[in-house]
Amino acid sequence: GAGVSQTPSNKVTEKGKYVELRCDPISGHTALYWYRQSLGQGPEFLIYFQGTGAADDSGLPNDRFFAVRPEGSVSTLKIQRTERGDSAVYLCASSPFAGTSAGELFFGEGSRLTVL
Amino acid sequence: GENVEQHPSTLSVQEGDSAVIKCTYSDSASNYFPWYKQELGKRPQLIIDIRSNVGEKKDQRIAVTLNKTAKHFSLHITETQPEDSAVYFCAASSNSGYALNFGKGTSLLVTP
Repeated sequence: GAGVSQTPSNKVTEKGKYVELRCDPISGHTALYWYRQSLGQGPEFLIYFQGTGAADDSGLPNDRFFAVRPEGSVSTLKIQRTERGDSAVYLCASSPFAGTSAGELFFGEGSRLTVL
Repeated sequence: GENVEQHPSTLSVQEGDSAVIKCTYSDSASNYFPWYKQELGKRPQLIIDIRSNVGEKKDQRIAVTLNKTAKHFSLHITETQPEDSAVYFCAASSNSGYALNFGKGTSLLVTP
């Protein structure tokens, strides 16, 4: 597709449930990022993939959060035992820039997660 | 992690006036400083960026300045237009070189 695609756009779940959020990056982009944006805040870094491997997962808040990118393209963010504090917009971004040269991030529209 | 402070949190200007948003960062290893614009309900989009080997960069009505010694950088928008109304985020590269650390955003309102 032309841009970064994220599904679902909205997800409402109950506390304690498991959720998966999917990101389809721009074709050919090797770098993929997950960010979390709470209301009135800037995007908060969660994890960075270069190809299939997580090069930096220092932003994951705890072990309930996990992300994979098995074939170096689509990525899934997985949240176990959801808590109300997990409610936020989860943004995925991809970039053609690899390695230590940070460059433009192309964001998706986000997945809005609401935990009741 | 990297701490990026952004001011002001809200800014209201009249059409045609200039707007200035300021950010400070804490990590001296940061070398890349982009600015993103996010309209309501939309994705953040890059509007301008600057690297640490440059002090100023301009793109039409938008300019960014960087003072590495003081660890601060600013966004300048001249001749503002109502369509400039949005939330603007500054960011600084992390010491890993991969992640961007964002400020909390500035909500800019340009009134006709």
